[in-house]
Amino acid sequence: QSVLTQPPSASGTPGQRVTISCSGSSSNIGSNYVYWYQQLPGTAPKLLIYRNNQRPSGVPDRFSGSKSGTSASLAISGLRSEDEADYYCAAWDDSWGVFGGGTKLTVL
Amino acid sequence: QVQLVESGGGLVKPGGSLRLSCAASGFTFSDYYMSWIRQAPGKGLEWVSYISSSGSTIYYADSVKGRFTISRDNAKNSLYLQMNSLRAEDTAVYYCARGRYGDYVLFDYWGQGTLVTVSS
Repeated sequence: QSVLTQPPSASGTPGQRVTISCSGSSSNIGSNYVYWYQQLPGTAPKLLIYRNNQRPSGVPDRFSGSKSGTSASLAISGLRSEDEADYYCAAWDDSWGVFGGGTKLTVL
Repeated sequence: QVQLVESGGGLVKPGGSLRLSCAASGFTFSDYYMSWIRQAPGKGLEWVSYISSSGSTIYYADSVKGRFTISRDNAKNSLYLQMNSLRAEDTAVYYCARGRYGDYVLFDYWGQGTLVTVSS
């Protein structure tokens, strides 16, 4: 069981907007930043969103993050086939790092 | 360009030891915090350990505390993970990742990973 809770799967058609949720507690999301990672099949994860809603250079603005209380969300607009991947949220919790269990995004 | 290259993975028996290394290049290694993250086959990511730029601050996941030791050699631009008393549940791909002060789970560059298999 992961400390951060994500839906195991999500799906959408090309061009659609999808959101992936990440639920935590006061000790992690409630008091620290949230980060999102994208992992394409067979590759290392890639930083997608940092500090709740900041995009590293090179990440398209189709990807956006938000946080409210002890929950966070990743939104992907204008869905593309290359967005099919696993997505993980992460946060600091007291004195250790925690990840969500991951959400497998399928582009139909 | 930033490169992180892990090595040292392999097959080890339960109770055995292994030392992973991560060779860094393309950036000033001594300026950055570093972490190890692992991923069991077909499973999600699990944060393992974190070390500050000077090595003075270290954190471990409860699942590895007392068995794993993270260290770094800034003169050699290298990060290490000494793994003792290995268990079957430690089987995973181990990634080293670059972090930043104040952003303990910000990993902006990752290595390709090295597979550790614990089995008799």
